[in-house]
Amino acid sequence: GAGVSQSPSNKVTEKGKDVELRCDPISGHTALYWYRQSLGQGLEFLIYFQGNSAPDKSGLPSDRFSAERTGGSVSTLTIQRTQQEDSAVYLCASSLKGGNNQPQHFGDGTRLSIL
Amino acid sequence: AQKITQTQPGMFVQEKEAVTLDCTYDTSDPSYGLFWYKQPSSGEMIFLIYQGSYDQQNATEGRYSLNFQKARKSANLVISASQLGDSAMYFCAMRESPAYSGAGSYQLTFGKGTKLSVIP
Repeated sequence: GAGVSQSPSNKVTEKGKDVELRCDPISGHTALYWYRQSLGQGLEFLIYFQGNSAPDKSGLPSDRFSAERTGGSVSTLTIQRTQQEDSAVYLCASSLKGGNNQPQHFGDGTRLSIL
Repeated sequence: AQKITQTQPGMFVQEKEAVTLDCTYDTSDPSYGLFWYKQPSSGEMIFLIYQGSYDQQNATEGRYSLNFQKARKSANLVISASQLGDSAMYFCAMRESPAYSGAGSYQLTFGKGTKLSVIP
């Protein structure tokens, strides 16, 4: 497809389990961002990739969160030992470059529920 | 202090009428970007319109226009001729240069959003 693709759409898991969330950006977009949207906190930045490197990881809330990007394309966000406060919608966005005037285009998100 | 303030948690508008959604921002960066996104109940974030801090004219995209008042640090979204499909959450967002934001990237900072309901 032409847009940002995220999978799964929904994920329900038990507390303490690990989860992997996938993002396939728009073809040719070198910049990729992960955000989290929760009721209490709104939309929060998590991590930024330029190509395969992550020059900005400042938004990751704890060391249980990690992400990688391979081939300058697909990115995976991993949450280890999930906690109930990790329940949120995880949104991925990509832009042509990482510059100031480039709009970020978002995927439909992964709704994560921790039981 | 909040960098993006959207003071209207919810708004109602009659179908075919125009509506203005408020957004004020705070930055010391001379080169920043302002964005509006629409999020329907289905959850996807849809990019609507962009205004750069150096742009002389207000941005327009179809029925969307941005009322940019730089001195007041205001970037209100105007939707003309509202349609039922416009019912959604609307988010104002800002991107600053890392040199000014202290961040490591051109990440977006979002407001809390305004829920717009269009009444038939």
